[in-house]
Amino acid sequence: DQQVKQNSPSLSVQEGRISILNCDYTNSMFDYFLWYKKYPAEGPTFLISISSIKDKNEDGRFTVFLNKSAKHLSLHIVPSQPGDSAVYFCAASVDPRKISSGSARQLTFGSGTQLTVLP
Amino acid sequence: DAGVTQSPTHLIKTRGQQVTLRCSPKSGHDTVSWYQQALGQGPQFIFQYYEEEERQRGNFPDRFSGHQFPNYSSELNVNALLLGDSALYLCASSLAGPRSNQPQHFGDGTRLSIL
Repeated sequence: DQQVKQNSPSLSVQEGRISILNCDYTNSMFDYFLWYKKYPAEGPTFLISISSIKDKNEDGRFTVFLNKSAKHLSLHIVPSQPGDSAVYFCAASVDPRKISSGSARQLTFGSGTQLTVLP
Repeated sequence: DAGVTQSPTHLIKTRGQQVTLRCSPKSGHDTVSWYQQALGQGPQFIFQYYEEEERQRGNFPDRFSGHQFPNYSSELNVNALLLGDSALYLCASSLAGPRSNQPQHFGDGTRLSIL
């Protein structure tokens, strides 16, 4: 049972245009969401996060939107650059205090979307 | 400021063998989590260590075990290796407790191949 889903395995976008990556989740206890970018032969690199008390968070060219009623989040990249070509993972987590004391967050990942930005 | 480091980068084993993977967390972090990433999938949570104890565990058999040392570094051990254990094993470090609302930082992983 996949709690976090990225239904688009791949996305191609022209350089300078907007890239929109989508993610859906089913667990209503998730309260913290993150996007990671992964290049081949490297580990995931943190991009941006959002808490469930917000519906938008911006950091430079990256904006994450959260729609709690639809259990949907999206990552917008504007403008897209060829260096943005990578696999993007969304991840979600539950407040660790609801699971066990002294814990950190456990991340549940989607299956990823390969973004290709064409020059 | 060193980030998360993992060793080795690549490893080839045969079925039935045992393997140990190592991880040093980012400076200042006290918690280590391990993830398995199979080809074409997202990382899956194996377990998490804090204060040298396993605090949370994902849906993995007890062939997967771990350890955390006083300097916060960690090991992942897998016994009786199966072909299906072939994957990229990622270590992530973070902070526990009230400072947990910060992102986990990942190492570059260990690519384990089972023949």
